[in-house]
Amino acid sequence: GNSVTQMEGPVTLSEEAFLTINCTYTATGYPSLFWYVQYPGEGLQLLLKATKADDKGSNKGFEATYRKETTSFHLEKGSVQVSDSAVYFCALSPQGGKLIFGQGTELSVKP
Amino acid sequence: EAGVTQFPSHSVIEKGQTVTLRCDPISGHDNLYWYRRVMGKEIKFLLHFVKESKQDESGMPNNRFLAERTGGTYSTLKVQPAELEDSGVYFCASSRGQGPSNYGYTFGSGTRLTVV
Repeated sequence: GNSVTQMEGPVTLSEEAFLTINCTYTATGYPSLFWYVQYPGEGLQLLLKATKADDKGSNKGFEATYRKETTSFHLEKGSVQVSDSAVYFCALSPQGGKLIFGQGTELSVKP
Repeated sequence: EAGVTQFPSHSVIEKGQTVTLRCDPISGHDNLYWYRRVMGKEIKFLLHFVKESKQDESGMPNNRFLAERTGGTYSTLKVQPAELEDSGVYFCASSRGQGPSNYGYTFGSGTRLTVV
C-alpha cells in the first residue's frame, strides 16, 4: 500500500540554523510528492512538489528532491527564520485525487 | 477569490451527541475532499466529492459519519452519535480538477472537534 513516514517532532532550532525534515514513502507506481505547511491558525498550504524522480521542488528557500532509489523526499532549508515555525507535512498522491500524508513535524524556530 | 471556509472553527460536544461540520469550497471547484487529523497523527483522507456525487468514500471510518454535498456546492459532515475517538481536526479542501499535481488544492483552516 501507500504510506508516508516523516521524522517526529517537535524540532526546535535557532534562527539561521540549517533544517532537515526527513520523509520516506512507500508507494506503488510513480506518485507525486508534496510538502504542505500549516502555520498557526491557518489551513494547509502547498509548500513545494515534485512529480517525477530526480525532480527538485523549491519555494521560499525550502527544497526537496524526489529520490526514487531511496524512496525519500527530505525537506531542507539553509537558514530558518522565526516565521518558519509551523507544522510540516510530507504527502504523496497516487493515481486519483487524494493525498496520503505523514504524521507531521512541528518546527519551532527561536530568535 | 475567497478561500475554502469551514465552520465552526471549534466544537466541543459530549459523547453521544450529534455534530455537523460545514465546508464551503471555492466557487467553481467541482472537487471537494474531507480529511481528518486525530491526536497529532497523520492526516487521513475521508472522502471525495465530484460535484454532488461521492467519488471515493473509502476513508470514512464507520456509518456514524455521513457526508453530503447537495447541489454540488457546500458540503456537510455529520457525526452521529459522536464518540471520544472522533476528536481531531477535520479539514476540507477543494480543487477545480482531480490530481494535486496538476490542480492546486486549497485547504480550509479546519474544524477542531473535541468529544468529551
